[in-house]
Parts: sequence; structure tokens; C-alpha cells
Amino acid sequence: KQEVTQIPAALSVPEGENLVLNCSFTDSAIYNLQWFRQDPGKGLTSLLLIQSSQREQTSGRLNASLDKSSGRSTLYIAASQPGDSATYLCAVRPLYSGGGADGLTFGKGTHLIIQP
Amino acid sequence: EAGVTQSPTHLIKTRGQQATLRCSPISGHTSVYWYQQALGLGLQFLLWYDEGEERNRGNFPPRFSGRQFPNYSSELNVNALELEDSALYLCASSLSGYEQYFGPGTRLTVT
Repeated sequence: KQEVTQIPAALSVPEGENLVLNCSFTDSAIYNLQWFRQDPGKGLTSLLLIQSSQREQTSGRLNASLDKSSGRSTLYIAASQPGDSATYLCAVRPLYSGGGADGLTFGKGTHLIIQP
Repeated sequence: EAGVTQSPTHLIKTRGQQATLRCSPISGHTSVYWYQQALGLGLQFLLWYDEGEERNRGNFPPRFSGRQFPNYSSELNVNALELEDSALYLCASSLSGYEQYFGPGTRLTVT
């Protein structure tokens, strides 16, 4: 059974800092990995998707990397801003279907606070 | 382009009743996924519909069911509601298993 772990569970940093959020998964047979942000009580906003054959994806100040063999992904946020405050979730989609495995498996998230 | 929409925003039900939640995918998307986000448990996969068929379900009892209509919109039904069904229910849509886009969710409260 796939398990996704995110470290740290919570992080508070001053505005302007660069930061790294970590995600690890136990089964390397993944189809893709997606990073989301969730604002309190709201739905999820997709940030970046990395296919299993890719090593990284970039969007603006965000960069996500994937090391499938070691079961790790990182989300790098450059020059953090107060508007980046949210919970960041990592999710993997399994490579093989069946047994309830087709939906995304999520980590519990990193709660990020950027202090003005 | 309109995103994924869900209705209602909030739903309050009594234990033992049935709840019906609705989801409209992004135009052109054929897959709809349902997830439950209960306090302290994180997001858990519930159901996957594609082209009108249930393709897979997560580890939830049969009283969680649903369907997908010809226009690809979807309905999630929860029968015999229990207190622990109180959660945010999120719907997502995608094209053939690619990137999933999520709706704003329905907050279900069971009293």
C-alpha cells in the first residue's frame, strides 16, 4: 500500500526566504506526482505535475523535483511572500490500476506560514 | 474556462439520512474523482468514474456510491449517514488520468 509522508508538518518563515518542502513515497511505481496548495476550508489548487519520466517542473517561483528511485520529491519556493501561506499537499498516482489504487494518494501536508 | 463546480457548498444532515452531492467537471474532461477530507485523516480517495462507468473505489463501505451522467457530471450518494461522515468532500476532473483539477468542495455535517 502506497504511503506518502510530508516533512515538515508545519513551517513558519519570514517573508523573502527560499524554502523547501519535502515529500516521500513508499512505492516507486507511480504514474505521476502532483503538488497542490489548499487554503483553509477550500478546495485544492494544482501547482505542478511531474510525470514519472520527468525530473523536475517549474512554474514561476516554484520548482518541483522528482527522484522516483528514492521515492522523493521536493517543492522549492523562491522569495516567499505572505500570499504563499497555505497548506501544501503532495499526491501520487499509481502506475497500475485496480484495488482502489487509481485515485491519488495524498500526504497530510505541510502547513506553511510566511511572516510579513 | 469554467473550473470544476460542486453543489451544495454546505449540507447539514441528521444521522441515518441520505446525502447527495453533485459535481460538474471541466468541459471536455471525462473522468471524475471523489475524495473525502475528514479532520485528522487527510484526503482519501473515494470513487473514480470515467465515461459513465465506475472504474475504481477506495476503502469505503458500499453506502458510499455514485454515478456519472452522459454529460460527465457526477453525483455522490452517502446512505445511512454516520457522525464520522462529516467531512469536506472534494471532486476532481481530468482527461484520461492526466492532471486532476479540484472543485471547491461540499462541507457535509452530520448531527
